[in-house]
Amino acid sequence: GQQVMQIPQYQHVQEGEDFTTYCNSSTTLSNIQWYKQRPGGHPVFLIQLVKSGEVKKQKRLTFQFGEAKKNSSLHITATQTTDVGTYFCAGPRYNFNKFYFGSGTKLNVKP
Amino acid sequence: GAGVSQSPSNKVTEKGKDVELRCDPISGHTALYWYRQSLGQGLEFLIYFQGNSAPDKSGLPSDRFSAERTGGSVSTLTIQRTQQEDSAVYLCASSLGSSGSYEQYFGPGTRLTVT
Repeated sequence: GQQVMQIPQYQHVQEGEDFTTYCNSSTTLSNIQWYKQRPGGHPVFLIQLVKSGEVKKQKRLTFQFGEAKKNSSLHITATQTTDVGTYFCAGPRYNFNKFYFGSGTKLNVKP
Repeated sequence: GAGVSQSPSNKVTEKGKDVELRCDPISGHTALYWYRQSLGQGLEFLIYFQGNSAPDKSGLPSDRFSAERTGGSVSTLTIQRTQQEDSAVYLCASSLGSSGSYEQYFGPGTRLTVT
């Protein structure tokens, strides 16, 4: 069945260092969404990518969607302590009603 | 406006008892999802509702789990004869439509502990 894998599972960085998490799907995705979950909180939508090769930026965050629409990445430049949390990617099943969430990458930023 | 709300926020129950978890989606949102998140883990899809269509129950882990959505709004997730492995945070999310292109708005979750 369709699976969405995410690596790494954990990442510890010093404040100011960069961070990247990768998302890989076993099947082509129509689109991909990214969510952030702060410790003790619930997932909050960050962005959606739809087009092959699409790149979107939100301040220090850069999101990419692969050419084959099977992988995606989130890169954070110069991390801050406010970036702490778990980042999930999510892609819909072919008929759109079931979302597959990646296992998440937990980011810890040391001040 | 109001976001997705869930109740109760915490529920402690004894093994074997039934529990009901409630979700109030954002007004006007036709799609509603239930997920389960075990400690430190990802989100496990449970069930999906879209308007008056038959729900997608493909993620329900066993027949002890059921869910309904009344009037296309409020949803309840029922777990019968709870087991310790049911302990988790149960998250509800709603979105404007059924297409995978709509973002999901999550509620704060219900933390279920089965003793």
